[in-house]
Amino acid sequence: AQKITQTQPGMFVQEKEAVTLDCTYDTSDQSYGLFWYKQPSSGEMIFLIYQGSYDEQNATEGRYSLNFQKARKSANLVISASQLGDSAMYFCAMREGSYNFNKFYFGSGTKLNVKP
Amino acid sequence: DAGVTQSPTHLIKTRGQQVTLRCSPKSGHDTVSWYQQALGQGPQFIFQYYEEEERQRGNFPDRFSGHQFPNYSSELNVNALLLGDSALYLCASSLVGTSGRRGAYEQYFGPGTRLTVT
Repeated sequence: AQKITQTQPGMFVQEKEAVTLDCTYDTSDQSYGLFWYKQPSSGEMIFLIYQGSYDEQNATEGRYSLNFQKARKSANLVISASQLGDSAMYFCAMREGSYNFNKFYFGSGTKLNVKP
Repeated sequence: DAGVTQSPTHLIKTRGQQVTLRCSPKSGHDTVSWYQQALGQGPQFIFQYYEEEERQRGNFPDRFSGHQFPNYSSELNVNALLLGDSALYLCASSLVGTSGRRGAYEQYFGPGTRLTVT
């Protein structure tokens, strides 16, 4: 089974509108971390937001928020007030376990296009 | 404060050859992880090095090996290259030490090395 599933290969959003990128995960660990990264065409992975499995509040970082629904095993990224510079690939990732040395699993990504 | 650096930026090799990719972690970081990202796919975890030892490994054959040096920099070696090894190879660094949560949180990626096998 896939550890991380992103079901939206591509998304379009109008500039200044909000958009939600979907992510579901699969783990039997009680302790895990969920991440979202942005990858522009240049290739570098840019960290956006982190949610720990024991965090009770949804994480927020500026225009980014993570809608964490533990029972449904979903960790959707919400980008508010989209900007043209938000056009990029977005990857959801998971770190299993709470130990120092963990494996990370990435989804297949969602390509976001912001229209002017 | 230098971020994660990788060299070379691009590389073209012939099937069957061997390749070495290099990574210098972000200043203050002690752990290096390597990922393979095929075109149009998400990164796949190869392995992670800490204190010069491989600590975790993904589902990659033994043709993929690595090394970490005392200054925390790292190399990824791939032997007997196949066409399917063509990909962007990403290095990420983090701080583990005695703070597991912090180390897992702060993973910074380098710009990657694009390897083309012909």
